[in-house]
Amino acid sequence: SQQGEEDPQALSIQEGENATMNCSYKTSINNLQWYRQNSGRGLVHLILIRSNEREKHSGRLRVTLDTSKKSSSLLITASRAADTASYFCALGARQLTFGSGTQLTVLP
Amino acid sequence: DGGITQSPKYLFRKEGQNVTLSCEQNLNHDAMYWYRQDPGQGLRLIYYSQIVNDFQKGDIAEGYSVSREKKESFPLTVTSAQKNPTAFYLCASSMRMGEFTDTQYFGPGTRLTVL
Repeated sequence: SQQGEEDPQALSIQEGENATMNCSYKTSINNLQWYRQNSGRGLVHLILIRSNEREKHSGRLRVTLDTSKKSSSLLITASRAADTASYFCALGARQLTFGSGTQLTVLP
Repeated sequence: DGGITQSPKYLFRKEGQNVTLSCEQNLNHDAMYWYRQDPGQGLRLIYYSQIVNDFQKGDIAEGYSVSREKKESFPLTVTSAQKNPTAFYLCASSMRMGEFTDTQYFGPGTRLTVL
C-alpha cells in the first residue's frame, strides 16, 4: 500500500518563525492529505491536495505538491506555541496510510 | 454537537481478557475505521467498514474483531489473541469510501494498557 514518509522527524523553532515539513512517497497518487495530532488526542484534518493541484492555502498553512518528485511540503507561517503537534501526511484511495509524522515544537 | 466519540478514554486490561472499545458517530458517515498507534509511530489500519453489516480487515487485523450492526456504531474488540495490545486506538469516519479518498474525522482515542 502507499505510504508517505515525513521529514524531518522532529523540528523545533521559535514562535513567529516558519515551519516546513516534507512528505515523500513512491507510488502515484490521486490526492494527499495533511493531518495534525496534538499529544494524546485524535487527528485533525488540515488540507487535502489533489494530484492536479500544485499549491493550496488554508489560513497560515500552505501545502505544495510536486508529483514529478513525488513529494509534498507543509508550510506553517508565523508559528505559534499552539502549533506544537505531530503532523502526518496521508495517502491512499480507498484506505489512508500514514507516515510516522513530524513532531513540531514551537518555543514561546 | 456532531462528531465521533470514543469510550472509555483510558482502559486497563489484564492479560487473557477481551475488551471492547466503543466508537459512535453522528455525522451520518457511511465509512468507519479503526487504527492503532504506538508511541512515536504513525497509524496502522486494523479494520474498516464501508456500510452497515460489512467490514474488511486492514493491515493488522489479527487479534481484533469488529461489528457494524448500526451505521452510527463500530465497536472494536481486542481479544486475548492480540499479543501486544497496549497502544492508543483511534476511530475515524468518512462520508464514503470511493475512488478518491474523503477526509477522515477522528475520535479522541482510547488508550489501552495491559497489566
